[in-house]
Amino acid sequence: DAGITQSPRHKVTETGTPVTLRCHQTENHRYMYWYRQDPGHGLRLIHYSYGVKDTDKGEVSDGYSVSRSKTEDFLLTLESATSSQTSVYFCAIREQGDFGYTFGSGTRLTVV
Amino acid sequence: GESVGLHLPTLSVQEGDNSIINCAYSNSASDYFIWYKQESGKGPQFIIDIRSNMDKRQGQRVTVLLNKTVKHLSLQIAATQPGDSAVYFCAENIGSKGGSEKLVFGKGTKLTVNP
Repeated sequence: DAGITQSPRHKVTETGTPVTLRCHQTENHRYMYWYRQDPGHGLRLIHYSYGVKDTDKGEVSDGYSVSRSKTEDFLLTLESATSSQTSVYFCAIREQGDFGYTFGSGTRLTVV
Repeated sequence: GESVGLHLPTLSVQEGDNSIINCAYSNSASDYFIWYKQESGKGPQFIIDIRSNMDKRQGQRVTVLLNKTVKHLSLQIAATQPGDSAVYFCAENIGSKGGSEKLVFGKGTKLTVNP
């Protein structure tokens, strides 16, 4: 996906360990979002950012934190991973005034 | 709970037929709607959008219809091709009290195109 990169693409981690997922954009867009995707639930918003150091919670934010210290990077941290956080995580970006979100390719996280 | 949903979780059509994917939403204040296509192993890809002040919008082989009276959204794909096989999501744009808007997604409909 042009302009937006997620890393890592796949990760297996143990219950109780901290995990950080990275979303990097080269589009200089103001807004960045973290979603998780699970069977039967579609995409659900975890956290989002509307500027550097400006973040807010989504509908499924418990157990997650985020940071955005610069425009291009939006980090999602699982402080202590649980099996219920096994999911595919998608980052998305959009520019102010434009409602078309661009999604990354996703990170598949497995917590064992 | 989610304010956007889909009537059918799966849809199977023959190549060349027209496809119609439906979506119901419950937030009458939503001002913008988008359809996304997601192929296996990839992120959602923008297909077409429509603002709440419109009833219909056409793209290349795709048409989105919005019926605000019954809070219903549909995606029509003309002459469906095997490459159209994917999961399709509708999403509505909701503004928050902080002024920052976000998309709420439906659960998705899996479209299978049979050759």
